[in-house]
Amino acid sequence: DTEVTQTPKHLVMGMTNKKSLKCEQHMGHRAMYWYKQKAKKPPELMFVYSYEKLSINESVPSRFSPECPNSSLLNLHLHALQPEDSALYLCASSQDGGRGRFTGELFFGEGSRLTVL
Amino acid sequence: QQPVQSPQAVILREGEDAVINCSSSKALYSVHWYRQKHGEAPVFLMILLKGGEQKGHEKISASFNEKKQQSSLYLTASQLSYSGTYFCGTEYYSGGSNYKLTFGKGTLLTVNP
Repeated sequence: DTEVTQTPKHLVMGMTNKKSLKCEQHMGHRAMYWYKQKAKKPPELMFVYSYEKLSINESVPSRFSPECPNSSLLNLHLHALQPEDSALYLCASSQDGGRGRFTGELFFGEGSRLTVL
Repeated sequence: QQPVQSPQAVILREGEDAVINCSSSKALYSVHWYRQKHGEAPVFLMILLKGGEQKGHEKISASFNEKKQQSSLYLTASQLSYSGTYFCGTEYYSGGSNYKLTFGKGTLLTVNP
């Protein structure tokens, strides 16, 4: 199994809503990532979890709250978002990374396309 | 710090070759190459590590000049399936115990019949 699965594929939310994005991998990878991608732009790193501990937070606003319940799951909790947060949110995993280790090959999920009204 | 990619876009006919370049002002530990088709996730193509180790697809080659912090991706005998946006990612030591991978703006490659 070489897949990273993200749900939901599409999400529309208002600025006062609370929602979550979910990501799952069963490749035994110990590093998981959240990236944000706007149209025709490269993916931008938001968070890195290494061995279930947050190792990198790229100064992301607190309205985005990551969570890594176990080595296979990664969540991104969303609250009080702004319209400019509308984007494709990509989850990725790698065998190792963060905490002093090279990133290695990234496996990306298909993404969750978020629209904030 | 974001690497610089060139060209921004390239149009080929099937069977032609292309080179995409990536450069960084920082000392790099690795260079990654990914391809993203419209509406899809980025897909790994190649990783080049400091010291010469490489891992990637058989039909795609790349080089990494560690002294110049530059990498090039070579696409030979292009096929229609090569179309997409190519991103280079450069990994550098960012302090503490962390390495960061940052993507360039991308090169849009279009292969026509």
